[in-house]
Amino acid sequence: DGVVTQSPLFLPVTLGQPASISCKSSQTLVHSNGNTYLHWFQQRPGHAPRLLIYKVSNRGSGVPDRFSGSGSGTDFTLRISRVEVEDVGIYYCMQGRYWQTFGQGTKVEIK
Amino acid sequence: EVPLVESGGDWVQPGGSLRLSCVASGFTFSNSWMNWIRHTPEKGLELLANMGPSETQKYYLDSVKGRFTVSRDNAKNSLFLQMNNLRVEDTGVYYCVRDFEYGHYDYWGQGTLVTVSS
Repeated sequence: DGVVTQSPLFLPVTLGQPASISCKSSQTLVHSNGNTYLHWFQQRPGHAPRLLIYKVSNRGSGVPDRFSGSGSGTDFTLRISRVEVEDVGIYYCMQGRYWQTFGQGTKVEIK
Repeated sequence: EVPLVESGGDWVQPGGSLRLSCVASGFTFSNSWMNWIRHTPEKGLELLANMGPSETQKYYLDSVKGRFTVSRDNAKNSLFLQMNNLRVEDTGVYYCVRDFEYGHYDYWGQGTLVTVSS
């Protein structure tokens, strides 16, 4: 099964500055149907996780365009172009190609 | 309107049982793959079980096979998780999610807390 590993696990950021999180998979996440099943979720303090990005680079419903996803095969990145206060929380990548597994989570805090 | 609402979380002793419920609204539940996700301090987020529209489509994480059973009642837009022989390490927040496609979880419940302790 696919193991996904995130880095860093803790990310202090300055308001208005960019941030990025890496996610690496132990196996390719490209399905035989041509889709790549790597997704990103955000969990704000006190809330359930919510979908941010699906299939590498597609924003979920209501997700601001300062969030973007990229990558291919086994290496993926989530970027926030300008961090806002409401972006504080834990970010998880998840692979859906095999039995679905999540990364360890990256905690984003304001410096 | 909240699309998924879980209930049934509680405190239980090791070896005990609990049944979690999840009621869906605002989407076509009967056609949807539905999953139970758990969040624990030790393991983080884990997919425990998923179930397709049909009773024959059920799959489980190895560590819960034989102890947990997922089921659904499409007439009542409801998903269930029967948990038996609970262990201390089953303690966590349990979420019901809709799996649109291969992990594309577009709807999440608010979570229900299960505590297993003596």
